[in-house]
This record gives sequence, C-alpha cells and structure tokens, in this order.
Amino acid sequence: GDSVTQMEGPVTLSEEAFLTINCTYTATGYPSLFWYVQYPGEGLQLLLKATKADDKGSNKGFEATYRKETTSFHLEKGSVQVSDSAVYFCALTDSNYQLIWGAGTKLIIKP
Amino acid sequence: DAGVIQSPRHEVTEMGQEVTLRCKPISGHDYLFWYRQTMMRGLELLIYFNNNVPIDDSGMPEDRFSAKMPNASFSTLKIQPSEPRDSAVYFCASSLHPRTGELFFGEGSRLTVL
Repeated sequence: GDSVTQMEGPVTLSEEAFLTINCTYTATGYPSLFWYVQYPGEGLQLLLKATKADDKGSNKGFEATYRKETTSFHLEKGSVQVSDSAVYFCALTDSNYQLIWGAGTKLIIKP
Repeated sequence: DAGVIQSPRHEVTEMGQEVTLRCKPISGHDYLFWYRQTMMRGLELLIYFNNNVPIDDSGMPEDRFSAKMPNASFSTLKIQPSEPRDSAVYFCASSLHPRTGELFFGEGSRLTVL
C-alpha cells in the first residue's frame, strides 16, 4: 500500500540555520503531497501542499517541491526561528483520498 | 470563524470508567475524522463520517470504542470501559472533502487512564 517515510528526529538546529526535513513516498497513483505542522499542545495544521509533479508548495518561508522521479517532497527553510520548533508531518492522499501520514519529525531550534 | 472545538482538553480517569470525548466541526464541513496520537503508534485514523454517516471505522481498536454523529455540528467518541493503554491524545478534524487533503484539527483531548 501507499506509505510515507520521514527522517527520524529530533532535528536540532541553531536559529538562522538552513533546514531540510526529508520525506519520501510510495504510491501506486499520482497522489497529492502535504506538510502539516503541530506546535506544542496544538492540533495539526496544514503548512503547504503540492498536487502534481514539479509543483512547489510554499508558506511561512517553508518550501517543498514534488519530485516524481525521486518520489520525494523534502521540506526546506532558509533561516529557521525558535518559533519554528514543532513536529512536522509529511502526508499523501491515496486513491481513496485518505491521508497517509509519516511518523513526524520533531524540530528543535535553539536560540 | 470558529475552528474545530473539542472537549474536554484533558481527562484523567480510572480504568473501567466510561469516557466521552466531544467534537464540534467547522460549519459547512461534510467530513469529520477522529484520530488518536501516541508516541509509540503515531497518528492513527479511528473513524470518519460523511454527512453524519460513518464511512470507515476499520481503525477503531475494539468494541470498547464507539463513535456517533447525531447531527452536522456534533460528534462523540466513547470508550467503555477504558483501559490504561487507551491513554493518548484524541483529535477531531473536519474537512470540506478529503480530495483537498486539507483537514482542520481541533486542539485535541488528552486522555489519561490510571
């Protein structure tokens, strides 16, 4: 079945560092891809999405590009802030439009 | 516009007791989802509804769990009897349609069963 694999955390960075969180997927069709973020004590919220190959999703300085050839959707940000500390989830919609979730990657940003 | 509202935010109970978690979805959203989140198992879909009708409950762990949606603005997740292994954060989410992939989550109900 469809699946999503994320890099294990926690990822610890200093403020203003460059961020990459890796995400790869396995899917039989042409899924849409998503990044959700969960701040401490809150529910998940959609951060960005891409619906077809080569699309780039972006929001709040975060970007991810849908790479069909490498089945990847890596999350990047050029300069992280302490407020970016959260858990980040990569996900895809399967052929029944259900979300398949990665395990989540905890990001810790130190001042 | 109000988001998804869940109650209670925290619940501590003893093994064997009944637990009821509540959810009010965003008005106009036709889909409602119940998820459970634990460190060991991550995010698990328990059940989802479309227009108040349960569509897929294959994620409900066992008969102790039940969910209802009596109307478009209210849903409950009930655990009876509760067990320590049910301790988790339970999230409700709503959506216009799953094809968008955009779910709106509540803040969750943290359940601790002693």
